[in-house]
Amino acid sequence: RKEVEQDPGPFNVPEGATVAFNCTYSNSASQSFFWYRQDCRKEPKLLMSVYSSGNEDGRFTAQLNRASQYISLLIRDSKLSDSATYLCVVNGPYSGAGSYQLTFGKGTKLSVIP
Amino acid sequence: ETGVTQTPRHLVMGMTNKKSLKCEQHLGHNAMYWYKQSAKKPLELMFVYSLEERVENNSVPSRFSPECPNSSHLFLHLHTLQPEDSALYLCASSQEQQGAYYGYTFGSGTRLTVV
Repeated sequence: RKEVEQDPGPFNVPEGATVAFNCTYSNSASQSFFWYRQDCRKEPKLLMSVYSSGNEDGRFTAQLNRASQYISLLIRDSKLSDSATYLCVVNGPYSGAGSYQLTFGKGTKLSVIP
Repeated sequence: ETGVTQTPRHLVMGMTNKKSLKCEQHLGHNAMYWYKQSAKKPLELMFVYSLEERVENNSVPSRFSPECPNSSHLFLHLHTLQPEDSALYLCASSQEQQGAYYGYTFGSGTRLTVV
């Protein structure tokens, strides 16, 4: 089983639509979870952390299900500027000396169409 | 300068060349990383430095040699690379607190082409 698995897409949605991405992870000891956004030929940027109780940041909602080792990202009222690749990221394994790796999924590509 | 800066942004090198990638962070972080991103693959961790000591080397070929002279600077020295090493090389930094983790800040990357 891949460490962090995502549907690569692409997801092509019209402006204003609601779209959801899912992600599963294999390391049950993981403690921290994130969604990153990567624009074409740019570096990944932190979109939001994912908390156990679920969390919302404007049009973005993240959910975590530890029992199923599953993370989701919901985007409401999609904008053209939301077009990007969304990376699911999981903390672990431990690298030593207080350092943890982040394990990245391959990403899900979103295209928002006018 | 703020955040994480990488130079050069683009690099074309021959297989017999020697070059270095540079990364500098202005965030006061104490851990730095090199990642490789190839087309259609997830980001691959290459090296981790925590408190200026290398703590992880994910079986990276010896033609890649990292150097971390202080907590703000990280280098990746390249020599006798192969065409398959062409990729986006990303530097990142973070603040480590006994395993508590707040995500990384990435530099804009160096797009490397080996000819």
